[in-house]
Amino acid sequence: DIQMTQSPSSLSASVGDRVTITCRASQSISSYLSWYQQKPGKAPKLLIFAASTLQSGVPSRVSGSGSGTDFTLTISSLQPEDFATYFCQQSYSLPWTFGLGTKVEIK
Amino acid sequence: EVQLVESGGGAVQPGGSLRLSCAASGFSLSDAWMHWVRQAPGKGLVWVSRVSSDGSFTTYADSVKGRFTISRDNTKNTIYLQMNSLRAEDTALYYCAKVAGGEGAFDVWGQGTMVTVSS
Repeated sequence: DIQMTQSPSSLSASVGDRVTITCRASQSISSYLSWYQQKPGKAPKLLIFAASTLQSGVPSRVSGSGSGTDFTLTISSLQPEDFATYFCQQSYSLPWTFGLGTKVEIK
Repeated sequence: EVQLVESGGGAVQPGGSLRLSCAASGFSLSDAWMHWVRQAPGKGLVWVSRVSSDGSFTTYADSVKGRFTISRDNTKNTIYLQMNSLRAEDTALYYCAKVAGGEGAFDVWGQGTMVTVSS
């Protein structure tokens, strides 16, 4: 199975900060990488697919980059609604696997 | 509105069975590969199973292979997860999710249905 390692596991940030979350795959996954946001008690929400393509309706302050084994999710200016947990997910090979998540908290 | 609604969760003893359902509205399930993903309390997301758009092809995580069966009824716009020989480690919130195109991203999720396996 492909292991997805996210870092950091949590971070504290202020509104307006630039936030970067990284995700590393245990082997190359090309660009088969998606990012999700999850708020407490809610289902995950797709933010980014194919490593860098913004899902419809997701604000442009969110971006993704990377290919192969190393990927990043960046929020350019953190907004109050961005405080949540973020997961990466690979769909290169079964079983599709997720990172353990990065919790973004208010500083 | 595109929506998935799961049902069928509940509390069951080890060794028991449950059948989860996932009903779609706002789109035709017959166009989409569908998946089940679970999340144990306070834990991360784990892929469980998938079924092809016509139901002819299914795949399972090793942890549920031989115990769970995924199926679909496109006439009812619904997919199912038959869960047998349940174990404590199957306790989780079960989501059904739709895959968008060929990228392998889950673009529509249900709200989840909770399965608790305990004696």
